Formats: sequence, C-alpha cells, structure tokens
Amino acid sequence: SQTIHQWPATLVQPVGSPLSLECTVEGTSNPNLYWYRQAAGRGLQLLFYSVGIGQISSEVPQNLSASRPQDRQFILSSKKLLLSDSGFYLCAWNQLSYNEQFFGPGTRLTVL
Amino acid sequence: AQSVTQPDIHITVSEGASLELRCNYSYGATPYLFWYVQSPGQGLQLLLKYFSGDTLVQGIKGFEAEFKRSQSSFNLRKPSVHWSDAAEYFCAVGKAAGNKLTFGGGTRVLVKP
Repeated sequence: SQTIHQWPATLVQPVGSPLSLECTVEGTSNPNLYWYRQAAGRGLQLLFYSVGIGQISSEVPQNLSASRPQDRQFILSSKKLLLSDSGFYLCAWNQLSYNEQFFGPGTRLTVL
Repeated sequence: AQSVTQPDIHITVSEGASLELRCNYSYGATPYLFWYVQSPGQGLQLLLKYFSGDTLVQGIKGFEAEFKRSQSSFNLRKPSVHWSDAAEYFCAVGKAAGNKLTFGGGTRVLVKP
C-alpha cells in the first residue's frame, strides 16, 4: 500500500533562517506531488505541484521554492523565512489511476 | 477557472442531530468532487468522492453527499452526528483524474454534548 511521510512534524525557526521540509511517498511510482499551506483559520492554498522529476509549477508568488530531486521526494525550501511563512504545510500525491489526493500528516512551522 | 465556496465557516450541532455542510462549485464541465475531513493538527482524510454515476454518494463514517448539477452543489450530510465528528471539513473540485484540486475555505464543525 502507499504511504506518504512528512518531516519534520513541527519546526520553530527564527525570521531570516533557511527552511527545508521533506515529503516522501512510498508504494507508488511517478506520482503527482503537491505542497499546500494552511494558515491559521484559513483553507488550503496550493503552493507548488510537480508531475515529474525536476518539473515544478508554482501557483503563487512567494518566498518559498520547491524541488523534486527524486521520483518520490518533494522538498519545500526557503533561503530566508518571513513571519508570514508560519503555517501548517501539507504534502499530497495523486495519479491518473486515483481521482483523489492523498495527504501526509503535515508539518507545523512557526516563524518567530 | 474552477472555484469552490463553502458558505458556512462554523457550524455548531448537538450530538445526535443531523448535519449538512454546503458546497457550491464553479466549473464548466462535469467536475470531480471530493469531501475531506481534517482533525486538529492532522492531515486530510477523504470522506467521499463523485465523478460520475449515481448522484448520491456514500462515504466513510456514515457521511453521504449529493451532486446536484442544476444547483452546482455537492452538499455533505450525516443523519446523526457523533462527538468524534468535530473537525474541519473541506470540499474540493478537480477537472480530471490525477489533476490538481481546488479547495473551499472549509467549515469547522463543533459538536455539543
């Protein structure tokens, strides 16, 4: 069966520090991968999605970037965090054979 | 572009009472529609989905949803709410299988004892 992991589960970082969040999927190949942010009391905002290695689409201009160095690995990064980057970050995957998206457990990021 | 509206930000319901969460979408063709549930600090879990066939869809945890094309709606219902149903619920729409989804703003459900 397929599983999706996110690391770390929680993170507290100072303003101006770098960021690296990791998402990995097991049990499938060539998934579509997604990064969402959920700010406090707000819905899900799609940040990036990827349909293959090295292929990244950005949905909104921001302080963040994404990379897909391997088929089942999706990384969210920032060179310098802003206070507004705080939130709950969710990774998800799907494929043509699955209509729905499957979500990871999320990473809670607090920027102080 | 597709969009999803969940008009109710918060709903409070008594345990044992019925629950209905509204979802309206905007999309030109027949959409792929989903309802997800999120417990605090957790990821999203799929409750049910619709993309063709019977317009009344049964999901997990006793939930069901009805697709009404004429009203561009996909409302979620449960006949009798349990305290464990307290969570945030998201409606989402997609254009095709394996495609990206557009989510509504969510409805937070509080269950009174």
